[in-house]
Amino acid sequence: DQQVKQNSPSLSVQEGRISILNCDYTNSMFDYFLWYKKYPAEGPTFLISISSIKDKNEDGRFTVFLNKSAKHLSLHIVPSQPGDSAVYFCAASAGTYKYIFGTGTRLKVLA
Amino acid sequence: GAVVSQHPSRVICKSGTSVKIECRSLDFQATTMFWYRQFPKQSLMLMATSNEGSKATYEQGVEKDKFLINHASLTLSTLTVTSAHPEDSSFYICSARAIAGGYEQYFGPGTRLTVT
Repeated sequence: DQQVKQNSPSLSVQEGRISILNCDYTNSMFDYFLWYKKYPAEGPTFLISISSIKDKNEDGRFTVFLNKSAKHLSLHIVPSQPGDSAVYFCAASAGTYKYIFGTGTRLKVLA
Repeated sequence: GAVVSQHPSRVICKSGTSVKIECRSLDFQATTMFWYRQFPKQSLMLMATSNEGSKATYEQGVEKDKFLINHASLTLSTLTVTSAHPEDSSFYICSARAIAGGYEQYFGPGTRLTVT
């Protein structure tokens, strides 16, 4: 039972354009969502988070949007840079410090 | 800030032996540490949650006698894979939550375990 899903295993975007990574969840008890970036053979690096009381959070080139009614969140990266090429995981928690991770989306930014 | 280290980064062991992996929070005190496992091209699966000075809480399906977790101090947690078998070969990642922190977990670089 995959409670957090990232349906696109991979995404390619031209440098300078917008990257949009999507994440869907099924558990309505989730109230905190995070995005992590991961390079091969390394641990994930925290990018940005959002609480369920918000629908948008922005940090530099990264913006996360949350649509609670659709149980959907997305990460926008603008402008995309080649260094953004990595695997991106969304994660969710339900009032605890325990995360449920999605399966990841591999982003490739083409120079 | 918020650096987590893991040691070793890579280990190869023979089937039947035990392997210990260390996870340290270098510049903060971690009230809670987490151990994850990642198979190739799959998500990170939480194995267990450990709090300093108390027994770890294991996720369903994770054998606590096989994956021994010790959280002896606010900066160190260890995972021991006992009587390792080839199917235990995986990428093991720890994370830590700061005492004064929010929901963010800070991840270590991971340990690649190969059991031959």
